[in-house]
Amino acid sequence: DAKTTQPPSMDCAEGRAANLPCNHSTISGNEYVYWYRQIHSQGPQYIIHGLKNNETNEMASLIITEDRKSSTLILPHATLRDTAVYYCIVRVGSGNTPLVFGKGTRLSVIA
Amino acid sequence: KAGVTQTPRYLIKTRGQQVTLSCSPISGHRSVSWYQQTPGQGLQFLFEYFSETQRNKGNFPGRFSGRQFSNSRSEMNVSTLELGDSALYLCASSLRVGLGTDTQYFGPGTRLTVL
Repeated sequence: DAKTTQPPSMDCAEGRAANLPCNHSTISGNEYVYWYRQIHSQGPQYIIHGLKNNETNEMASLIITEDRKSSTLILPHATLRDTAVYYCIVRVGSGNTPLVFGKGTRLSVIA
Repeated sequence: KAGVTQTPRYLIKTRGQQVTLSCSPISGHRSVSWYQQTPGQGLQFLFEYFSETQRNKGNFPGRFSGRQFSNSRSEMNVSTLELGDSALYLCASSLRVGLGTDTQYFGPGTRLTVL
């Protein structure tokens, strides 16, 4: 079973920041937080991951709370092409453990 | 660098047949994982191959099998197809260097329809 809880759906106005929350209250010290998104039955796309520090790349920022029990994925300027299902996944940081997907958050970006 | 490729992209089979799906990982990636996605069960892990050996397996019946070749390309096979095997089959590749976390990158998937 997935170790994360996400809202089933969210809306965001185009051009605004999209903030997608994720709860992972049982996360262990050696587990990373990963984010993927899936656009209409395409393969999931890797976005970002982090352990305890905030992370930023060209796609998004990941903010992890100090107690690591929750995190927020931020898309700074959402576009219509960001409409997708976003998955937050907690995963052990060693080896190549499988990704355990929950139901994710369906983000709709509205013009 | 080219991404993960999967062939074929679409496939229609009938119950009782068998099917083979192919996955070519990102160049330099040594691990290939397979996932099944259905509307009812979501995305579920099937198995992982690394160095031509199955390293990890999900909770699927023995009708689902796979293999990996020396060039890291992988195939998965489903025998005696059932209607419930209709799904999007996804392949993901990763470096598998054994140091820290290992990010998986997905291909576009193969859409299998069983009639």
